[in-house]
Order: sequence, then structure tokens, then C-alpha cells
Amino acid sequence: EADIYQTPRYLVIGTGKKITLECSQTMGHDKMYWYQQDPGMELHLIHYSYGVNSTEKGDLSSESTVSRIRTEHFPLTLESARPSHTSQYLCASSETGYNSPLHFGNGTRLTVT
Amino acid sequence: GENVGLHLPTLSVQEGDNSIINCAYSNSASDYFIWYKQESGKGPQFIIDIRSNMDKRQGQRVTVLLNKTVKHLSLQIAATQPGDSAVYFCAEMETSYDKVIFGPGTSLSVIP
Repeated sequence: EADIYQTPRYLVIGTGKKITLECSQTMGHDKMYWYQQDPGMELHLIHYSYGVNSTEKGDLSSESTVSRIRTEHFPLTLESARPSHTSQYLCASSETGYNSPLHFGNGTRLTVT
Repeated sequence: GENVGLHLPTLSVQEGDNSIINCAYSNSASDYFIWYKQESGKGPQFIIDIRSNMDKRQGQRVTVLLNKTVKHLSLQIAATQPGDSAVYFCAEMETSYDKVIFGPGTSLSVIP
């Protein structure tokens, strides 16, 4: 059903490691987003992109970085993972134009030990 | 800052009954509202949306009501089924800012 894919689904990694969370969508959407969500809590926007070579920081400060080299791909990178980065990371995309709902992937649940 | 919030963090309903999930928003300039359903281990799934020029919109078994006077949004689920058990989020958007803001979720439990 989902046209937006995130890998890996689960990741347990040690402190100090560099990680990249992958997100791809096949809908041709220009807008893509990364949200951080703790269990049962609201979603917080950490990065977004309006198209190729466009990236912006969201409302929640994050030590992660993103890139948008291709329309369909919006990876998120943590250069040095810390336990405070333990969370669920959700990728989403939406159509260009106003008033378009976000389509979400199933998330990556990250645990940093 | 502006925020979206829910009145009830948890809601339990009997299978077959109707469910009503409420949401308050504080940004009077918000003009687009969305309801999402999030099942355990999955990302939020779009349910229904409504623009500020409407006060009611119906989907399959779901109805969203918007009261701009009191800045209130509700999601009504008819004949609630066990598969409706999930966390429900309302979200708002002010078109000129083009960012979606999510409120805290309401956990809906359906009692068989």
C-alpha cells in the first residue's frame, strides 16, 4: 500500500557511529519531510525539502543532516549517534501545491546504546 | 507558539458504537486540517481532511467537523470496529507557511 519506503525498519547501534536512514518515494512528490516521534507522542518536524537541492531545518533542533540529490530520495544522516537520538524517525512526502496531505513511510526505530 | 491539542488522551468505545475524537487548535489563521490514524509499528495514515471554507466533510464511516468559531475539530467514526484501534492525530496547516503541525494523539481502544 505504501509508496514511500524507509529502511531499515529497526536499527540498534553503538554511540559514536555514523548512520544513514533511507527514504524513497515513487509518487514523484516534490516535497519531502523528516519527523521525529517518541512512542505515543506527537510528531516533530526536523527537516524538509521542497525539491532537488532544497533542504531546510524544521522546528525541532536536530543534529542530523539531509540531502536531496534526486526527487525520489531523501536520506537522513547522523554523523555521530548518541543515546539521545533514540527515537522513531518518520519520512513523508506530499504533492506540490497547497493543502496536500502528507504520505508517511512506516518509520525507522533507532536505538543508540 | 501556535499549537494543536486534543481534549482526551485516551478513548475506549464498545464495538459498534460511534466514536468522537476531539481536537482544539489555537492558530486562527490555520486553513487546512487533517486527521491521521497511526497503528502500532506503522507511520501515520491519512484519513480525511477539510479546508476552512467547509464545516463538515464525510468519508467512508468517518466525518470531520470544523467549528472555526471555537477553533475545534472533531473526527467521528461510525460503527467503530476493532480495526479502528489506533492513535489518532489531528494536524493543522496555515497555507502561507506550508507546514503541518501535529497535536498530541488520542489513543482509541475498541472493546469487542
